[in-house]
Amino acid sequence: EVQLVESGGGLVQPGGSLRLSCAASGFTVSSNYMSWVRQAPGKGLEWVSVIYSGGSTYYADSVKGRFTISRDNSKNTLYLQMNSLRAEDTAVYYCAREIAVAGIYYYYYMDVWGKGTTVTVSS
Amino acid sequence: SSELTQDPAVSVALGQTVRITCQGDSLRSYYASWYQQKPGQAPVLVIYGKNNRPSGIPDRFSGSSSGNTASLTITGAQAEDEADYYCNSRDSSGNHGVFGGGTKLTVL
Repeated sequence: EVQLVESGGGLVQPGGSLRLSCAASGFTVSSNYMSWVRQAPGKGLEWVSVIYSGGSTYYADSVKGRFTISRDNSKNTLYLQMNSLRAEDTAVYYCAREIAVAGIYYYYYMDVWGKGTTVTVSS
Repeated sequence: SSELTQDPAVSVALGQTVRITCQGDSLRSYYASWYQQKPGQAPVLVIYGKNNRPSGIPDRFSGSSSGNTASLTITGAQAEDEADYYCNSRDSSGNHGVFGGGTKLTVL
């Protein structure tokens, strides 16, 4: 069964750090695009970061320079290292597998999602 | 522009048809994908590409696109379709994802 399970969320003080993990089963993380998406309480979905199968990484402006996406191929696990955390980073963080399709029109879609892990930044 | 704009709320009578739209410049270059999210749950993919449904998604869900607007249509809305719906695409660089603000669908 194709599955993603996030962990590592919790309560952290402003300025602190946290590392989120996303363990995959049923497919290979390194062969896919993998994304992090977050949702602040009562708000909509916000794209955070993506790592391509080739290793390139991209970030939303709101987290660039503070968050780092990575993967461990031996553990088939995706990570999000979050530093210099702010109150506005409080959210449920989801990892998702992203499929990229090239053609006349390019398109991308996230077909597998984890259940999410909650990060609360507060003193 | 990297923004996708959705109406915040839409309502539909049980069994009727409703269209949820998503506007943005990037939709001239990329098809949108659509996600359904119910309270306390993770998003679920309902439409991707030109008009593709993942396995398990009812055929009352369909998608279309014209110019800078993508649409999700539910033909014969059911009570269980009441949820938040989000569109997603890429920005003009093609390397950053972007979500619409979401549309809360109420089935009356």
